[in-house]
Amino acid sequence: DTEVTQTPKHLVMGMTNKKSLKCEQHMGHRAMYWYKQKAKKPPELMFVYSYEKLSINESVPSRFSPECPNSSLLNLHLHALQPEDSALYLCASSSPGLRQGARGPDSGNTIYFGEGSWLTVV
Amino acid sequence: DAKTTQPPSMDCAEGRAANLPCNHSTISGNEYVYWYRQIHSQGPQYIIHGLKNNETNEMASLIITEDRKSSTLILPHATLRDTAVYYCIVRVAYNTNAGKSTFGDGTTLTVKP
Repeated sequence: DTEVTQTPKHLVMGMTNKKSLKCEQHMGHRAMYWYKQKAKKPPELMFVYSYEKLSINESVPSRFSPECPNSSLLNLHLHALQPEDSALYLCASSSPGLRQGARGPDSGNTIYFGEGSWLTVV
Repeated sequence: DAKTTQPPSMDCAEGRAANLPCNHSTISGNEYVYWYRQIHSQGPQYIIHGLKNNETNEMASLIITEDRKSSTLILPHATLRDTAVYYCIVRVAYNTNAGKSTFGDGTTLTVKP
């Protein structure tokens, strides 16, 4: 079972709507991510937050606005989207800066994904 | 993060071992090899990762070549529920910043009865 929780699981919105996707993790991770995944394609990185600060923005259009209110929460605010923005949006978290040489799932920089939010823009 | 190359699809008979290869010839010394799988309509699931030693857990084994330019994920006794897209990615082992993680196209594994 994933420990990254995303809501809602499904969202249908019009092109003039404003909506938000939410993500929560309680693993003490200090890095959080948004990925976008189109059908039959791999996930594409959108944003990375590290210690609550935006560290990577992969040239994402401004109609997508990320927010990290605290270390456990990550939001993606959506406004004026286009039908081609319809996709699975995945949130993930990881814990950077862990022990060098350690073993097990958290010895490196393992990313844990949520189940995703299916977004349809009509 | 280094780029990875995987075959687009593979079949495996149920109960047999599934061996999924991955090439990562530009891997850096501080990058781990990670494997994830994604079952239809779900988020990617972590399977295993390693730096240079072979690794085994309850799900799979990971064999990394000595030069670290390629690796193989082994599912020892594949079941129908192992049908999924398998992604190999390379990622900085530890960092004060989270860093990128770029997914390649993955391998669609189909386990057949």
